[in-house]
Amino acid sequence: DTGVSQDPRHKITKRGQNVTFRCDPISEHNRLYWYRQTLGQGPEFLTYFQNEAQLEKSRLLSDRFSAERPKGSFSTLEIQRTEQGDSAMYLCASSSGVGYNEQFFGPGTRLTVL
Amino acid sequence: GQNIDQPTEMTATEGAIVQINCTYQTSGFNGLFWYQQHAGEAPTFLSYNVLDGLEEKGRFSSFLSRSKGYSYLLLKELQMKDSASYLCAVRDKGYSTLTFGKGTMLLVSP
Repeated sequence: DTGVSQDPRHKITKRGQNVTFRCDPISEHNRLYWYRQTLGQGPEFLTYFQNEAQLEKSRLLSDRFSAERPKGSFSTLEIQRTEQGDSAMYLCASSSGVGYNEQFFGPGTRLTVL
Repeated sequence: GQNIDQPTEMTATEGAIVQINCTYQTSGFNGLFWYQQHAGEAPTFLSYNVLDGLEEKGRFSSFLSRSKGYSYLLLKELQMKDSASYLCAVRDKGYSTLTFGKGTMLLVSP
């Protein structure tokens, strides 16, 4: 357990529905990241927050994806009008911004779109 | 663009030594990380290199050559629990996001 938690752990939804995932980072970490990982691939960067500011978004991120970190603590990732291609593991990570600034990953939310 | 290459799979025997290579071509460089990921679990941090040379951490060592765009992870005294995917990741700008390779699946057999 790295101290990063994600909820839910699993989500099954029908195509066209909206889904929202939550990430609670390590409490003293000001940086938070969202990644997507499919089978046999490494994590793919989606977006990054420093405190409540969203500083970077992947060019691959569809307009159907939106993320927030309203108070600089937990974050939510919403996917609107889900498609089967959205099926993946969604990983959240946090880091302190000091030292190595290594990222600590949560257990992920596995999304299946039927 | 970013390009990170690792072998897809490797096999080794318990007690042996294995070296997992990673080559990268990125627009900038601000550190290279190795993560371990067991099936169905989150990646966990193993090592970090930002300067050329070898970093040793118990049974794990990581090497970096910035001029060659090359790193390796060396695992000694392999144990069955080392069977996992090993991810090479480059931090290519600022102090923030990582670009990951596809990972190398290591299978340790008795």
